[in-house]
Amino acid sequence: AIQMTQSPSSLSASVGDRVTITCRASQGIRSDLGWYQQKPGEAPKLLIYAASNLQSGVPSRISGSGSGTDFTLTISGLQPEDFATYYCLQDYNYPRTFGQGTKVEIK
Amino acid sequence: QVQLVESGGGVVQPGRSLRLSCAASGFIFRSFTMHWVRQAPGKGLEWVAVILFDGSNENYADSVKGRFTISRDNSKNTLYLQMNSLRAEDTAVYYCARVMIGGHGAFDIWGQGTMVTVSS
Repeated sequence: AIQMTQSPSSLSASVGDRVTITCRASQGIRSDLGWYQQKPGEAPKLLIYAASNLQSGVPSRISGSGSGTDFTLTISGLQPEDFATYYCLQDYNYPRTFGQGTKVEIK
Repeated sequence: QVQLVESGGGVVQPGRSLRLSCAASGFIFRSFTMHWVRQAPGKGLEWVAVILFDGSNENYADSVKGRFTISRDNSKNTLYLQMNSLRAEDTAVYYCARVMIGGHGAFDIWGQGTMVTVSS
């Protein structure tokens, strides 16, 4: 199974900060990666698909990049509603595998 | 509106069975591949199983293979997860999720989740 190593596991940031989360795959997965946001008590929400495509309705301050084994989720100008946990998910093959998650907390 | 609603969760003893359902509405269910994903309390997301849009193929996480069965009834717009020989480590919120068309396999619609607790 492909291992997805996500870092950091948590971070503290202030409103307006630029935040970067990375995900590394144990083997190449082309651009077959999505990013999801989850708030406490809620289902995950798709933010980015195919590594860099913004899902409809997601604010443009959120962006994704990367291909092969290294991927990045960037939030430019953190807003109060962005404090949540973020997961990457490879959809290259089965079994699908998630990163461990990154909790973004208020500094 | 486009919606997935899970049901069937509850408290069950180890070794017993439970069947989860996921009712779809607002879209053409039979056109979409569907997944189950779970989340143990305080933990991250874990992929469980997938079934193709027409039910022709399935795949499972090693942790549930041989114990869980994913199925669907396209005439009822419903996805199922039959869970047998349940273990304490199966305790989790179970989500159903839809694969977006043209999205490289990303999950664009999720249900609200149903809690399964395996305990004696």
